[in-house]
Amino acid sequence: AQKVTQAQTEISVVEKEDVTLDCVYETRDTTYYLFWYKQPPSGELVFLIRRNSFDEQNEISGRYSWNFQKSTSSFNFTITASQVVDSAVYFCALSERKVTGGGNKLTFGTGTQLKVEL
Amino acid sequence: DSGVTQTPKHLITATGQRVTLRCSPRSGDLSVYWYQQSLDQGLQFLIQYYNGEERAKGNILERFSAQQFPDLHSELNLSSLELGDSALYFCASSALPGQGRNEQFFGPGTRLTVL
Repeated sequence: AQKVTQAQTEISVVEKEDVTLDCVYETRDTTYYLFWYKQPPSGELVFLIRRNSFDEQNEISGRYSWNFQKSTSSFNFTITASQVVDSAVYFCALSERKVTGGGNKLTFGTGTQLKVEL
Repeated sequence: DSGVTQTPKHLITATGQRVTLRCSPRSGDLSVYWYQQSLDQGLQFLIQYYNGEERAKGNILERFSAQQFPDLHSELNLSSLELGDSALYFCASSALPGQGRNEQFFGPGTRLTVL
C-alpha cells in the first residue's frame, strides 16, 4: 500500500527565511509519481510540481526547489526567501503508474501548515 | 484557475437528506476523480471515472455514488447524510497517462455542511 508521511504539522517562519517541508513516501511500485500541492486559505488545491520516479534530477522554479532522493524515499520542498503569500497548507502526494489509460488516484500526506509572518 | 469547475460552492443540508455535487473537468481531460477533505480523515480519494466508466474506488461509502456523463461532466451523489459527511469535496481531472502527464488539476471544491 502507498503511504505519504509529512511529519511537520505546522511550521512558522519570519519572512525572507528559507524553509524546507519534508515528505517521505512508501510504495512497492517501481514506477510512480510524486507531487506537491498548495492549499491557500481560500481552500483550492493548486498543483505545484510532478516528479517521475525515474528522474532524480532536482528542480528549481523561482523561489521553489525540490529535492528528490530515491535512496531515502524523500521528496522535500524548499521555499527560499519566504513571503507572507506563501502561507498555506502544503500537501505531498504519490500515485502509482498504470499501463491502462485513465490516470491514477493520489495518496496524500496529512499536509504541513506553513505560516510566514512579517 | 485550474479549468475544473464545481457547483455548488457551498451546500447546507440536514441529516438524512440527499445532495448532488457537480463537476466539469478541464477541456480535453477524460478522467475525473472525487476526493473528500475532512479534519479527521484528511484528503481521501473516493472514486475515479474515465470516459464514462468507473476505474478505481477508494474509501467511498455505500451511501455515496457517482457517475460520469457522455459530455464528461461528473456528479457525486451523497444520500442519507450524516453529520460526519460534512467536508470539502473536491473534483479533479487529468489527461491520459500515456501522454506522459499524470498531474491532477483540482476544482475549487464544494463545502458540504450537514446539520
